[in-house]
Amino acid sequence: GAVVSQHPSWVICKSGTSVKIECRSLDFQATTMFWYRQFPKQSLMLMATSNEGSKATYEQGVEKDKFLINHASLTLSTLTVTSAHPEDSSFYICRPGQGLVTEAFFGQGTRLTVV
Amino acid sequence: GENVEQHPSTLSVQEGDSAVIKCTYSDSASNYFPWYKQELGKGPQLIIDIRSNVGEKKDQRIAVTLNKTAKHFSLHITETQPEDSAVYFCAAIQGAQKLVFGQGTRLTINP
Repeated sequence: GAVVSQHPSWVICKSGTSVKIECRSLDFQATTMFWYRQFPKQSLMLMATSNEGSKATYEQGVEKDKFLINHASLTLSTLTVTSAHPEDSSFYICRPGQGLVTEAFFGQGTRLTVV
Repeated sequence: GENVEQHPSTLSVQEGDSAVIKCTYSDSASNYFPWYKQELGKGPQLIIDIRSNVGEKKDQRIAVTLNKTAKHFSLHITETQPEDSAVYFCAAIQGAQKLVFGQGTRLTINP
C-alpha cells in the first residue's frame, strides 16, 4: 500500500493561534489530497479536497478561511487551522489520491487539542 | 450523493468466534468498497477492499462480500483474536475518489 506520512501526530495549542499539519505522500504522486476530521466516537467526515496546484474544494459547513489547504506539490499538502478554538479540537487525517487509482490509504492522523 | 449505513454500532464476540459487520450503500454508481480498522489514536488502516466486478474476496481470516443488486457489503472476520478489537469502518467510493464512510462498528473480542 501507499506510504503516507502525516505530522505532527499530536499538537496542543492555545486559542487564537494557528497550527499547520503536513501530509506527505512518500511513494507516489498525489494529484489529489483529501482532508478529513474525526470527532471522538464518530466517523470520518470529509472537510475538503485539493488538487495539486489549484484551490481546494470545501464541503458544506467547512470554513475555507479557517482551514487553509495548500497543495503545491505532488508529494506534500498542508492544512493550517487558523485562529484555533477549543471546538476545533479533533483528529485530522489526510488521504492522498492519484488519478484513477482507487485504493485509499490514510495518514496516521493528527490529534489537535486547543486549550 | 452517496449514503452508507453500517451495523451494528457495537459488537462483542468471544475469542475464536466469527464477527460480521454489514453495510448498505445508496448510489449504484459506487464501484469500490474498502474496509478500515482504526485503533485508538491512529489513522484508519485499510484491511481489505472489493470492487464492484467481484462478489467476494478473502485474505486469511478476513473476507468481504458484495451484493450489487441489494447494494450491501459485509466484512467477515473468522477465528477472532484479541488484537482484532478496534473500530471498523466501511466506505464506498465513486469514480471521483470521494469516500463516504459508514458510522463505524466498535468490535470487542472477549478472551
